[in-house]
Parts: sequence; C-alpha cells; structure tokens
Amino acid sequence: GQNIDQPTEMTATEGAIVQINCTYQTSGFNGLFWYQQHAGEAPTFLSYNVLDGLEEKGRFSSFLSRSKGYSYLLLKELQMKDSASYLCAVRDEYSNYQLIWGAGTKLIIKP
Amino acid sequence: GAVVSQHPSRVICKSGTSVKIECRSLDFQATTMFWYRQFPKQSLMLMATSNEGSKATYEQGVEKDKFLINHASLTLSTLTVTSAHPEDSSFYICSAPILASNEQFFGPGTRLTVL
Repeated sequence: GQNIDQPTEMTATEGAIVQINCTYQTSGFNGLFWYQQHAGEAPTFLSYNVLDGLEEKGRFSSFLSRSKGYSYLLLKELQMKDSASYLCAVRDEYSNYQLIWGAGTKLIIKP
Repeated sequence: GAVVSQHPSRVICKSGTSVKIECRSLDFQATTMFWYRQFPKQSLMLMATSNEGSKATYEQGVEKDKFLINHASLTLSTLTVTSAHPEDSSFYICSAPILASNEQFFGPGTRLTVL
C-alpha cells in the first residue's frame, strides 16, 4: 500500500535549526514535494526532489534518499512566521500528477 | 508564479442546499485540476481529478452524484456539493499542475459550513 510517515508535531526555538523527516512507501516514485500550510490557508510549494541529494533554497533545504525511502526538510534561522504545518507528498509515477500526502508535521516556534 | 483562484472563500448554508465552488487558473491553462478536502488537523484528502473535456475521476469512497465536478474550460473547474449536510462541512481546496513544471498550484481554499 501507499504510506507516508512524518512526525505529528515538533517544537523549535526562534533562530535555531529544525529537521522534519518523512519516510515513504509507495508503489512508484516520481518525485517528492514539501509544502508549507498555515492554519486556514492552502498549501504553498517549498521544494521538489527527484534525484538523491540535497536541494538548497535560501533558509530551506530538502534532502532525498530514494533507496531508503527517506526525505527531510531542513529549516535554518527559524522565524516565528515559520510556525505552520509542513506536508510531505510523493508523486506516484503511475498517476502522472497525483500526489500522495503525508498527514503533515505541525511546527511550533517558540521565542 | 502561477495563480489559482477559488470562489467563494467562505460559505455558510442550510442543510439540504447545494453549493457550487469555482476554481480558476488565472494565467495558465489547466487540463487537469485536483479537488481536495481537509478536515481540521488532518492532511489533504484527494476527492477527485477533474479533466477538461471528459468525466472526472473520483477517489474511492467519494460519491460522484453528491460531489459534481464540471471542467468546463481550460481555466475553470467547478465542484458542486449537492444536498449538503453538516458532515460535509470542511475546507475544500483545488489545485492545478503546470505540465512543464513540477509544481502544483493551490487555490486559497473554500471553507464550507453546513448548518
């Protein structure tokens, strides 16, 4: 079956670094996405990985290991506005643009 | 980046009425759009895939006669919740992928409350 796991909730301190992990088991793989979602709003795109390795984009980086079915989102220099849910999603190669979603990780930033 | 709009952003209706939600791609053409539902503190649940010029594809457990989808043009898909009941109260979000990109662009969502 299709399964994506990520922690339910994490807490971090303003200015620090936090790593949000995601493991997946899917029938196919055609890319992994990270989205940020603030309460009551739609998700916004953060990153996309299809090859192994680290993709860096400003304060946010995303890593992928396809052999391990594992990804993480790294957030540096945390700001209060980073308090949100972070959703991991995998695109199944057999359903072109459909995404399989994790339940999301609620990140709480404390001063 | 590309923009997807949704209308209305919030709707409150009485039980038994029908509600139509519009999803528009404003600066690109979308042959495919996705409709999601999200309950509080839960992740996105794909309801159906809307295809321009053909019938929508519904996920298992989603009633196609209750959630009517019409993809009338390359920039507009509509979701009609027919005979809405309180259990249909949820956050409905549409998204559209750009074929040449790896991104899916989400509309701002519609908060439906059925009394």
